[in-house]
Amino acid sequence: RKEVEQDPGPFNVPEGATVAFNCTYSNSASQSFFWYRQDCRKEPKLLMSVYSSGNEDGRFTAQLNRASQYISLLIRDSKLSDSATYLCVVNREDSNYQLIWGAGTKLIIKP
Amino acid sequence: DGGITQSPKYLFRKEGQNVTLSCEQNLNHDAMYWYRQDPGQGLRLIYYSQIVNDFQKGDIAEGYSVSREKKESFPLTVTSAQKNPTAFYLCASSIGGRMNTEAFFGQGTRLTVV
Repeated sequence: RKEVEQDPGPFNVPEGATVAFNCTYSNSASQSFFWYRQDCRKEPKLLMSVYSSGNEDGRFTAQLNRASQYISLLIRDSKLSDSATYLCVVNREDSNYQLIWGAGTKLIIKP
Repeated sequence: DGGITQSPKYLFRKEGQNVTLSCEQNLNHDAMYWYRQDPGQGLRLIYYSQIVNDFQKGDIAEGYSVSREKKESFPLTVTSAQKNPTAFYLCASSIGGRMNTEAFFGQGTRLTVV
């Protein structure tokens, strides 16, 4: 079992819809969590950090559930420009804070 | 502007050749990483370094080598021992050793064996 798992998708979603996807992690020593966005043939870029209390940035909401060991990303009022691959990243205290990456969820927003 | 720079953007290698990918950062970050990404796949860690003159193997280090002689630089050599080197290579840096540290990436190098 991979340490960080994501549904690879693709999620095909009509423009304007709300979409959510989860990421599960297996190591309880995981301390911090992030969502990155990667456009086709480009480098990943930080979308948002995920805080224990949850956090929101415009149309994007991230949640952390430590008991069930997953994080989630919700995108409201989706835009064509949201089409990308979303990578879940976990930072573990017991590995000198090495970043552990999920394989990503591909999102395609259709007009 | 602060950032992380990879070069070249595209690289072609003949069978049996060693090639070196450059990665330079001026963010004053302690930690640097090399990842490999294959089509439709996630990032796999090749090597990482938390401090100058020290580095550790990642999950797929075989056939690769690195050095960290300066804080700003973390070059990756793809040796002839790497049997399937065609991939997208990403270098990243972070403050390192702390929680909630963002990773910053270079634009990547696409290596193709011809």
